Amino acid sequence: NAGVTQTPKFQVLKTGQSMTLQCAQDMNHEYMSWYRQDPGMGLRLIHYSVGAGITDQGEVPNGYNVSRSTTEDFPLRLLSAAPSQTSVYFCASSYSPGGPDTQYFGPGTRLTVL
Amino acid sequence: ELKVEQNPLFLSMQEGKNYTIYCNYSTTSDRLYWYRQDPGKSLESLFVLLSNGAVKQEGRLMASLDTKARLSTLHITAAVHDLSATYFCAVDALGQAGTALIFGKGTTLSVSS
Repeated sequence: NAGVTQTPKFQVLKTGQSMTLQCAQDMNHEYMSWYRQDPGMGLRLIHYSVGAGITDQGEVPNGYNVSRSTTEDFPLRLLSAAPSQTSVYFCASSYSPGGPDTQYFGPGTRLTVL
Repeated sequence: ELKVEQNPLFLSMQEGKNYTIYCNYSTTSDRLYWYRQDPGKSLESLFVLLSNGAVKQEGRLMASLDTKARLSTLHITAAVHDLSATYFCAVDALGQAGTALIFGKGTTLSVSS
């Protein structure tokens, strides 16, 4: 299993540009989440999904959109990037019946918005 | 608003010493998670504490959970340099366990000889 994969690993955007951060998991997990990590702030929940077709907002959802059309994929869209969105983004997945309850994290995407 | 607070945020230790990291949270959740993060890397799960009184140990790390006090501790015994990392505690953001997490700000541990 590849686990949780994220692409790209690094990205530089200009203010106002849009982009999609990709996240995929091959563990048949039902739950997937997006977090951002900023220095001194820990990880903050952006959006999450409890299954295909079901998403909801987390702590800091403004400026981000998500969708979950398949169990495997959970892309995060930045519609109009702002410098405040410069951060490291982590995708995580969890839960399959009979499996452990912890979240498994992808390697992260380091995003810089100029 | 659900809050998770860790202290200390920074911890400089000498090898061989013991210390404890504290994690307080504001929800009534009966489970708590500990993660480790090395610089520039992703998060690695250390412990999942599932009920009041739960205690788990892995090597020089031991985690415990007191749901009545809404407190978890991560105890480090005889620290070694390899334990230098940032440690996060987290609780479930929702009623469904493991759906999404709310994290503390992390404790950055530096172990020196």
